[in-house]
Amino acid sequence: DGGITQSPKYLFRKEGQNVTLSCEQNLNHDAMYWYRQDPGQGLRLIYYSQIVNDFQKGDIAEGYSVSREKKESFPLTVTSAQKNPTAFYLCASSPSRTGDEKLFFGSGTQLSVL
Amino acid sequence: AQSVSQHNHHVILSEAASLELGCNYSYGGTVNLFWYVQYPGQHLQLLLKYFSGDPLVKGIKGFEAEFIKSKFSFNLRKPSVQWSDTAEYFCAVAFSGGYNKLIFGAGTRLAVHP
Repeated sequence: DGGITQSPKYLFRKEGQNVTLSCEQNLNHDAMYWYRQDPGQGLRLIYYSQIVNDFQKGDIAEGYSVSREKKESFPLTVTSAQKNPTAFYLCASSPSRTGDEKLFFGSGTQLSVL
Repeated sequence: AQSVSQHNHHVILSEAASLELGCNYSYGGTVNLFWYVQYPGQHLQLLLKYFSGDPLVKGIKGFEAEFIKSKFSFNLRKPSVQWSDTAEYFCAVAFSGGYNKLIFGAGTRLAVHP
C-alpha cells in the first residue's frame, strides 16, 4: 500500500529537548516537504528537499533541522531553539522536483510542549 | 514577499446553496495554482489545479475554479453544496523561480448544514 507515513501521531516535548518527527514514503518521489499547520494560518513551509542529500529552507526554518540521507526518508528535528513548537506538522511528497505535480500528504504529527 | 490570501476564514451554508471561496496571490509572474481540501479526520487532498490553458478548470466532486490573471485570483466555486462538502479548503500557489515551493493560504472552514 503506497503512501506517506508519519510517526508518531502525537508527540510531547519537554523544555530544552530536541525531538524528531519521522516521515517515510514508498512512492519513489523525489521531492519531500515539511509544513507546519497552525489554526487560522494555514500551512507554512519549514523545509523542502528535491533530491537526496540536498534540502532548502522554507519560510519558517528557524529552530528546525532536517536530513535527506535516503530518498524515502525526510525526518524533521524540532530543536530547543524553536520557542513555539506546539503545532500540527505535515509531511508531503511529490513526484516532481519542479512543483508541477500535486503533493501527497501524510496524516500528520501533533506536537505539544509539556 | 510572495503570499496567498483567502478572504473568508469561516463560511456557513445550507445544502444546495452556491459556494464561492476567494483566493488571491501577490505576484505578477507565472504561477501554478492549486486547491486542496481537508475533510474531517482525513489527509489533505487535491481538488483541482491550473498550470496553463483554459482558465476555467474542473476538479473532483463538482468543484471548479477560474484563474483571472488580471486580478491575481483563483476562486473556487460549486453551484450546489452538499453536507459532505464540510471541510477546510486551502488555496496554494507555486511561483515561478520556485515552483517547488508551494505557498498555502490560511484556509477556509466550510460548514454545510442539512
